[in-house]
Amino acid sequence: DQQVKQNSPSLSVQEGRISILNCDYTNSMFDYFLWYKKYPAEGPTFLISISSIKDKNEDGRFTVFLNKSAKHLSLHIVPSQPGDSAVYFCAAAISSGSARQLTFGSGTQLTVLP
Amino acid sequence: KAGVTQTPRYLIKTRGQQVTLSCSPISGHRSVSWYQQTPGQGLQFLFEYFSETQRNKGNFPGRFSGRQFSNSRSEMNVSTLELGDSALYLCASSASGGNEKLFFGSGTQLSVL
Repeated sequence: DQQVKQNSPSLSVQEGRISILNCDYTNSMFDYFLWYKKYPAEGPTFLISISSIKDKNEDGRFTVFLNKSAKHLSLHIVPSQPGDSAVYFCAAAISSGSARQLTFGSGTQLTVLP
Repeated sequence: KAGVTQTPRYLIKTRGQQVTLSCSPISGHRSVSWYQQTPGQGLQFLFEYFSETQRNKGNFPGRFSGRQFSNSRSEMNVSTLELGDSALYLCASSASGGNEKLFFGSGTQLSVL
């Protein structure tokens, strides 16, 4: 039973346009969400996070939107650049308690075409 | 500051063997987590250690075990390897394992033949 789902395995976008990556979750206990980016042969690197008390968080070209009622979050990249081509993982956590356990989605391969 | 270091980078084993993977966290980080990545499955949580104690464990069989040393370095062991254990094993560290981001190593690619 996948508690965090990324239904699009791949996405192609033209350079300069907006990339929108989507993520759905089923566990209503999740209250902290993160996006990670992964290049081949490297570990995931943190991009941006959002707490459930917010519905939007922005960091430069990256914006994460959270819709708690729909249990849905999305990552917007504007403008998209070829260097953004990577696998993007959505992750969720229950922040109460002392131990961090992230539940990841299966990832979306983003390809930004020059 | 050096990042999270995982050794070895690649490993080839045969069914039935056992394997030990090593992870050195970022200096000062006391929490170490392990994840398994397989194609199409994303990253699956294995376990998390803090101050030499396992605080949290994912849904993996007992063949998967780990430990953490007093210097926060961690090892993961898989016994009686199965073909399905072939995966990228990622280690991540954080300062306390609380509400902050994880820093991942590059992983150990394990192939079981």
